[in-house]
Formats: sequence, structure tokens, C-alpha cells
Amino acid sequence: DIQMTQSPSTLSASVGDRVTITCRASQSISSWLAWYQQKPGKAPKLLIYKASSLESGVPSRFSGSGSGTEFTLTISSLQPDDFATYYCQQYNSYSPVAFGQGTKVEIK
Amino acid sequence: QVQLQESGPGLVKPSGTLSLTCAVSGGSISSSNWWSWVRQPPGKGLEWIGEIYHSGSTNYNPSLKSRVTISVDKSKNQFSLKLSSVTAADTAVYYCARVAASYSSSGAFDIWGQGTMVTVSS
Repeated sequence: DIQMTQSPSTLSASVGDRVTITCRASQSISSWLAWYQQKPGKAPKLLIYKASSLESGVPSRFSGSGSGTEFTLTISSLQPDDFATYYCQQYNSYSPVAFGQGTKVEIK
Repeated sequence: QVQLQESGPGLVKPSGTLSLTCAVSGGSISSSNWWSWVRQPPGKGLEWIGEIYHSGSTNYNPSLKSRVTISVDKSKNQFSLKLSSVTAADTAVYYCARVAASYSSSGAFDIWGQGTMVTVSS
């Protein structure tokens, strides 16, 4: 099965910072990758699908890139509402769905 | 717009069976989407449990496959999860979710229920 590894586990940043989170797959998943934002006590919210496609209604400061085994989520200018935990998810049809362990974005 | 709502007991005894239902509103469970269950232990990450199509076709996480059954009730526009032989390790928030891609079991989850906490304890 495919394993997903995110880095860092925790990230301290300030409002206005450019933030990058990395997700690595244990084998190639082409572009079958999604990113989610989760706030405490809430369900995850889809941000990005197919590695770089922005979900409807998601602010354009969020962007995704990568293919194969290495992917990034970038927040171009961190806003107060963006402090949350972010998860990547692979959905290659040849392997069970798997999530990364999460990256918590904290206020610096 | 489609909404999902989980329901079921919040407390299950060890060795018992966890049973949850996800009601689909604002749309039909017989649409072209697959429907999934995902869980999250307290303070931990997300784990995919399995998924179902309205035809009854299912896919399960191999790590849970021997204990999981997901079923669909088209007449009630809902789908259900049963997890048998539960232990404290199965304590988690359980979410139901819709797979975004049409006619594909592989996709991102674009709609989620609010989640329901299930505690396994005697």
C-alpha cells in the first residue's frame, strides 16, 4: 500500500507569510492527490484535488503543485483564518486511500 | 446542495459492534458518486475505512476489512457502517463523505458530514 509522509509536522508562521507544506508518496501516484484543511472540532474541507486544481470557493492564495511522488501545498499570504491542520490524501485507484499524518500551522 | 449527517450510538462496549448511518439529503444516493467512511482518533490523523456505490459494490481498507461492512439503503437514501469486535483503538470521530469523481471509486472527498464521536468503553 502507498504511504504518505507530510513535512513539517508543525509549522509556526505569521500573518502574511508564504507557507509551503510538502507531501511525499512512497510510490508514484501521478496527480491523484488532494489537500484538506481541518479546524478543531470540524470536518476536513477540500482545498485542492488532482494535485493542483482549486476546489470551488477556495481562496486563490491556496495552490498545489507536484506529480509522481512529491507534492506541495502553498499558501501565498497566510491569513488569520488559515491557522489549522492540513492533510494530503492519495487516491490512486490501485491502492487504498491514504492520508498524510497532518501539518499543523500555528501562529508564530 | 448535498448534505450528509451521521447518526448512531456514541458508546459501544468492547468486543461489540459499532453501527452508524449516514443520511444523504439534497441529493440522491443513487447518483454517480461513491460514498465513504473516514475516522479520526482523538488528537490523531485521518483513516479511510471504506466506500460503497449505490449498486452495493464496496471497497475496504485492508487493515479493517475483516471487521467492516458497509451497506446502502436506497429507499432511505442512506448508507451504513458496521465495525465488529471493537476495542478502545476504535474510539474515534467517524465521518461519512462523498467521493467527488463521478462513476469512480477513486477521488477526493468533496462533501463531509459533521462527524460523530464513538467511544469504545465498558
